[in-house]
Amino acid sequence: AQSVTQLDSQVPVFEEAPVELRCNYSSSVSVYLFWYVQYPNQGLQLLLKYLSGSTLVKGINGFEAEFNKSQTSFHLRKPSVHISDTAEYFCAVSEQRGYSTLTFGKGTMLLVSP
Amino acid sequence: DTGVSQDPRHKITKRGQNVTFRCDPISEHNRLYWYRQTLGQGPEFLTYFQNEAQLEKSRLLSDRFSAERPKGSFSTLEIQRTEQGDSAMYLCASSLEVAEAFFGQGTRLTVV
Repeated sequence: AQSVTQLDSQVPVFEEAPVELRCNYSSSVSVYLFWYVQYPNQGLQLLLKYLSGSTLVKGINGFEAEFNKSQTSFHLRKPSVHISDTAEYFCAVSEQRGYSTLTFGKGTMLLVSP
Repeated sequence: DTGVSQDPRHKITKRGQNVTFRCDPISEHNRLYWYRQTLGQGPEFLTYFQNEAQLEKSRLLSDRFSAERPKGSFSTLEIQRTEQGDSAMYLCASSLEVAEAFFGQGTRLTVV
């Protein structure tokens, strides 16, 4: 079984500042890693994913994440945030097998203010 | 293709009533998933279909919950004898490959 820990429930930041949202996971098998964003009363939209290869993954809207196997982390970063980035961000993990369901963290609310 | 579609978007029901939600996945996707999300939490897996076969069910899915995907296309999730604890957002997702699931906008259920 896997688990995901998002250490911060809320991250307040000013517009144009950099941000890092932290994610740590636990699993006894190899995994795929994902970040999803959720706007109020909406479903989830995939920001980026790590399947294999380069540990630095670039996604949509200027976000990127780095997979660190030794620290079992997959932190999400953006060098300069916008007001429109205000949303809930979820880190998720799935086992590398024929099919696999997602295990999500509890989410981090990113609050961008002017 | 308009993505994963869920109906209704909102449902208010009285405790004890039955409710049914529908999910239309992206047309070529053979994998379909249901998740439940409560306030302040991440989504939790409920059940998974590959084509019309229900291959996995979470322990969260009590006997009052049943899901079907009769022709391998749309899916329904029924909750019988609803309880207040069933109030949540029910999310459907579909995928073609293992690694990328596309989510619908969800059905928000309120049990009063």
